[in-house]
Amino acid sequence: GQQVMQIPQYQHVQEGEDFTTYCNSSTTLSNIQWYKQRPGGHPVFLIQLVKSGEVKKQKRLTFQFGEAKKNSSLHITATQTTDVGTYFCARRGSSNTGKLIFGQGTTLQVKP
Amino acid sequence: DAGVIQSPRHEVTEMGQEVTLRCKPISGHDYLFWYRQTMMRGLELLIYFNNNVPIDDSGMPEDRFSAKMPNASFSTLKIQPSEPRDSAVYFCASSPDRGPTDTQYFGPGTRLTVL
Repeated sequence: GQQVMQIPQYQHVQEGEDFTTYCNSSTTLSNIQWYKQRPGGHPVFLIQLVKSGEVKKQKRLTFQFGEAKKNSSLHITATQTTDVGTYFCARRGSSNTGKLIFGQGTTLQVKP
Repeated sequence: DAGVIQSPRHEVTEMGQEVTLRCKPISGHDYLFWYRQTMMRGLELLIYFNNNVPIDDSGMPEDRFSAKMPNASFSTLKIQPSEPRDSAVYFCASSPDRGPTDTQYFGPGTRLTVL
């Protein structure tokens, strides 16, 4: 249905290593949003992807939207302890009325 | 600019008591969302409003939960009676209504513990 699946659920990396989380949908997405939630905090919007094959960068973070608009990824290069948190992707509900459907999230732990 | 404001930030109550959570959305935002977050179930949408009107309450767990939005600047989520399984972090979020690319702005959340 409208769910988005995120993998992995958890990831532990050594500081300096790269990290990637994937978001997959069985149906075509109009757009995909990414949010980050720090431990004890609230989800904060990171970026939105709209176009097929779109790639956007924010410093060490690279976001991609698949050509078929059914998947997306977030890649962090050379992780830092400040990257710790849970990363969520979110898709628009089918009725396009403002509702977002969030994935389960990928929780990243970075060992210094 | 003030973000989404939620109160209280923490609530500890005993089973059977009524709990009321409050939210003030960002001024000018037309959408308001209530979410519940737990380790087991992740981030769940409970209900959302558009221009103060409830649009989708399919995520509300049961009749013990109710939500209101009497005006554009205030919403409440009430649990009566509360149960230990209601323990969670409850987030309120708001969003403008400019089309399908709108993002949501979350409040700091209310951490509810029901003993």
